[in-house]
Amino acid sequence: DIQMTQSPSSLSASVGDRVTITCQASQDISNYLNWYQQKPGKAPKLLIYDASNLETGVPSRFSGSGSGTDFTFTISSLQPEDIATYYCQQYDNLPRTFGQGTKVEIK
Amino acid sequence: QVQLVQSGAEVKKPGASVKVSCKASGYTFTSYGISWVRQAPGQGLEWMGWISAYNGNTNYAQKLQGRVTMTTDTSTSTAYMELRSLRSDDTAVYYCAAGGSGLMRLWGQGTLVTVSS
Repeated sequence: DIQMTQSPSSLSASVGDRVTITCQASQDISNYLNWYQQKPGKAPKLLIYDASNLETGVPSRFSGSGSGTDFTFTISSLQPEDIATYYCQQYDNLPRTFGQGTKVEIK
Repeated sequence: QVQLVQSGAEVKKPGASVKVSCKASGYTFTSYGISWVRQAPGQGLEWMGWISAYNGNTNYAQKLQGRVTMTTDTSTSTAYMELRSLRSDDTAVYYCAAGGSGLMRLWGQGTLVTVSS
């Protein structure tokens, strides 16, 4: 199975800060990488697909980049409504696997 | 309205089976597959498998092989996930999600399955 390692596991930042989360795959997954946001008690929501494509309706402050084994997810200006846990997920191989999640809090 | 609506919470005893439903509306059901993902309390997301709503082809997580069955009923635009021989560590929120085999674009609200004696 492909292991997905996210860092950090949690972070605290101020409103307006730039927030960056990294995701490393245990092997080359090309750009077959998605990012999801999960707010407490809610289902996950797709934000970024194919490593860098913004899902329709998602604010442009969210972005993704990377290919191969190293990927980055960025919130350009953190907003209070962005408090959530963020997960990366690969779909190059079966089984599909998720990172362990990054919990984002407001300082 | 494009949505997936899942069946309600379940409480089961160890060794029993559970069948969770996921009813799609607002889009052509056979255009996308349905993934099933579960989340144990306080834990991350675990992919369970995927079924094509077009032809019924399935991929299951190896750790669940033999215990899980995913099906669809195109006449009612509903997907089902049955998990058998339940154990306490199957206690989780179970989500269905529509999309390609690797992409989970539209999610259901989740179904809590509690396994307890």
